[in-house]
Amino acid sequence: EDQVTQSPEALRLQEGESSSLNCSYTVSGLRGLFWYRQDPGKGPEFLFTLYSAGEEKEKERLKATLTKKESFLHITAPKPEDSATYLCAGSNYGGSQGNLIFGKGTKLSVKP
Amino acid sequence: DAGVTQSPTHLIKTRGQQVTLRCSPKSGHDTVSWYQQALGQGPQFIFQYYEEEERQRGNFPDRFSGHQFPNYSSELNVNALLLGDSALYLCASSSVTYGYTFGSGTRLTVV
Repeated sequence: EDQVTQSPEALRLQEGESSSLNCSYTVSGLRGLFWYRQDPGKGPEFLFTLYSAGEEKEKERLKATLTKKESFLHITAPKPEDSATYLCAGSNYGGSQGNLIFGKGTKLSVKP
Repeated sequence: DAGVTQSPTHLIKTRGQQVTLRCSPKSGHDTVSWYQQALGQGPQFIFQYYEEEERQRGNFPDRFSGHQFPNYSSELNVNALLLGDSALYLCASSSVTYGYTFGSGTRLTVV
């Protein structure tokens, strides 16, 4: 069964304290690995798509990496506004077809 | 450019009732997917519509049904509501050239 597992469930950081979020996946024929940010009561906001092992993408303080079994979301010198739930999802379909298989998310809290 | 629009934002229904949720996709997107997100969980795929047909379906009972209109907008219908159907219902639109964009969701509470 295709599955995505995220760890830790919750992470509390001080402002400026860098860390990483983990996403382990067993998705047969993975065609894309997605990272989303979700604020309370809102829909997920797209961050990155990774397509092949070794690929890296960056956006401001966030950097996503992909291996054959895991993806990491590195947060460098986080700020309080980075507090949110970060969701990882895999897809074994290309383009807009098929469903996204989500993990339960990591709830990140950044204290000033 | 408007993103994905969902209505209503909040809804309270009684067990056994029926509910219809609506979604207008982002401009240029022709595919609509629906997800259910229970509190503290990740979104779970319900089904996807393309060219007014259900293209793929997740592990949800037949009480969950949908429709896509010629203008690509979509409806999610849930019959015989159960307490366990209380969740945030998310609509995501996409196209061949664009990835998934999610709406802000409809918060359904079944009492």
